[in-house]
Amino acid sequence: GENVEQHPSTLSVQEGDSAVIKCTYSDSASNYFPWYKQELGKGPQLIIDIRSNVGEKKDQRIAVTLNKTAKHFSLHITETQPEDSAVYFCAATYTDDKIIFGKGTRLHILP
Amino acid sequence: DSGVTQTPKHLITATGQRVTLRCSPRSGDLSVYWYQQSLDQGLQFLIQYYNGEERAKGNILERFSAQQFPDLHSELNLSSLELGDSALYFCASSAPPAGESGELFFGEGSRLTVL
Repeated sequence: GENVEQHPSTLSVQEGDSAVIKCTYSDSASNYFPWYKQELGKGPQLIIDIRSNVGEKKDQRIAVTLNKTAKHFSLHITETQPEDSAVYFCAATYTDDKIIFGKGTRLHILP
Repeated sequence: DSGVTQTPKHLITATGQRVTLRCSPRSGDLSVYWYQQSLDQGLQFLIQYYNGEERAKGNILERFSAQQFPDLHSELNLSSLELGDSALYFCASSAPPAGESGELFFGEGSRLTVL
């Protein structure tokens, strides 16, 4: 089936520390794995994505890794800042461009 | 501002009623996606249209229907509403052609409350 599991559902980290969110996907996912950030009262926004022909991608303090054999991918945020507090969603594409999201991780950055 | 416009922003109605949510995609985007966001369920994929044609269907109830018009705007119709339909409904648009995946641009959502 088409399913994306995301963990943890809630994560609290001290400002300046790193945060890691993990997702696994079911067999039939294709080649595109985006991550979205949703701030309060807004729609989700893409922060980084990875395609299955690469294993890792980095953009400043954000990085994503993909392990196709294990069917999992992870989001890493380093040197966390207060503005990183939000809900983060991973997603995977399936047939016919269907983009399925995980249930989200609420990230709290503690002062 | 994502360039995707959703109306209305808020809607309160009673059980058994019917509502229509409207979405205008970003200029030039041919794909429109609809998602339902409830408290514990994340973003549930409902349906996708590409250039006026239905392309993919998710867990959309039979009481719900959607369409994309020639001017590319889309409407999501929700009928025989139940308390459990209360949620935030997001529309998103995307530029890549059919068969290719790319960034989704989300609107700010329509919050539906069924009393």
